[in-house]
Amino acid sequence: QVQLQESGPGLVKPSQTLSLTCTVSGGSISSGGYYWSWIRQHPGKGLEWIGYIYYSGSTYYNPSLKSRVTISVDTSKNQFSLKLSSVTAADTAVYYCARVVGKVPAYYWYFDLWGRGTLVTVSS
Amino acid sequence: SYELTQPPSVSVSPGQTARITCSGDALPKQYAYWYQQKPGQAPVLVIYKDSERPSGIPERFSGSSSGTTVTLTISGVQAEDEADYYCQSADSSGTYGVFGGGTKLTVL
Repeated sequence: QVQLQESGPGLVKPSQTLSLTCTVSGGSISSGGYYWSWIRQHPGKGLEWIGYIYYSGSTYYNPSLKSRVTISVDTSKNQFSLKLSSVTAADTAVYYCARVVGKVPAYYWYFDLWGRGTLVTVSS
Repeated sequence: SYELTQPPSVSVSPGQTARITCSGDALPKQYAYWYQQKPGQAPVLVIYKDSERPSGIPERFSGSSSGTTVTLTISGVQAEDEADYYCQSADSSGTYGVFGGGTKLTVL
């Protein structure tokens, strides 16, 4: 079955760029039919949608993060990635990658598969 | 920015019925989804499209919608249902995702 796994540095210095990769196994990103998303959760807090991407490269971002976020896809490696620039301590969170079911934009779309998440701490 | 509002906490005794609400202006236009998250784990989808239950989710989990409010109902609550529950939807354009603040379900 399809599985997602996040990877990347667990510690990032303030003002630097956070970079994470999600590897999809058991299925092909380029087969279409799904969007692929990043979501984060600050320690002890709720979930925050960051953005999503289609295999073609089409992206949508949370307006509150749009100026600092880039999500990209590498179909040859069956991976998609997150870059968040100019990070501060407020970006410390568990970052999840997830598969999106539905049509985007439309009246329905949701996350049916999630990675385990990876904690990224922003600290000098 | 668009927001979904949930109660911070709900408490019930085992065997009782728990109801968790989620309110948002765009809910009449957009479906809602519910996720269960236990400590240290990733969220798990328990309800999609307001009231549909994914395979493998117990029948005691159900969802409903009325106007700007959707409700997750857990009938015959069990100790294993103790978790945080998040509603999720999209803005009226269907472009931007949003989560509710989460509700901690405590089984007394």
